[in-house]
Amino acid sequence: GAVVSQHPSWVICKSGTSVKIECRSLDFQATTMFWYRQFPKQSLMLMATSNEGSKATYEQGVEKDKFLINHASLTLSTLTVTSAHPEDSSFYICSASHTGSGEKLFFGSGTQLSVL
Amino acid sequence: DAKTTQPTSMDCAEGRAANLPCNHSTISGNEYVYWYRQIHSQGPQYIIHGLKNNETNEMASLIITEDRKSSTLILPHATLRDTAVYYCIVRAIAGKSTFGDGTTLTVKP
Repeated sequence: GAVVSQHPSWVICKSGTSVKIECRSLDFQATTMFWYRQFPKQSLMLMATSNEGSKATYEQGVEKDKFLINHASLTLSTLTVTSAHPEDSSFYICSASHTGSGEKLFFGSGTQLSVL
Repeated sequence: DAKTTQPTSMDCAEGRAANLPCNHSTISGNEYVYWYRQIHSQGPQYIIHGLKNNETNEMASLIITEDRKSSTLILPHATLRDTAVYYCIVRAIAGKSTFGDGTTLTVKP
């Protein structure tokens, strides 16, 4: 199947710093990518829909100025957690929609963010 | 997007079929049923999807009722490695995917 690469797998940062997470579709072009966060023993919560060449669409309650999403190319979307705080510690997962396979979503392996 | 309802947890004996139900009574005509699974601390893995016909692939079978208000994922011969959280999602083409709570399937020896 199609491959989505997400980096880094884990990151530890100090409170107040910014962290960038990359999501790449390796063998297909993804017009649309999605960003999720997941707390321990909970389901995935959709944060935003990232569309290539346009502004991201954020879900209700997600601060767009805190979670900056850029989708500058058909194979790369980035999520930047700005001025991170301990409550932002979570598992962040991206997914890309593959039009050529019935609009399946392929997921990255996730990024565990720990803010000290 | 339509919501889905799944049992919180299920057990299955190794080698037996695992049947995971999902209710999606408010599904729209243009929404597909997708199944994913997530093993601890990994990204979800695609299993199968369908619109209204039953589907089968190398991993599983998907049975969708005629009124499309519910579906069942069938793992024909469950193994210990099938232990995971299984998510049923309804989604239109180019639509967003909202995850429910899923079913934790535990395959026991």
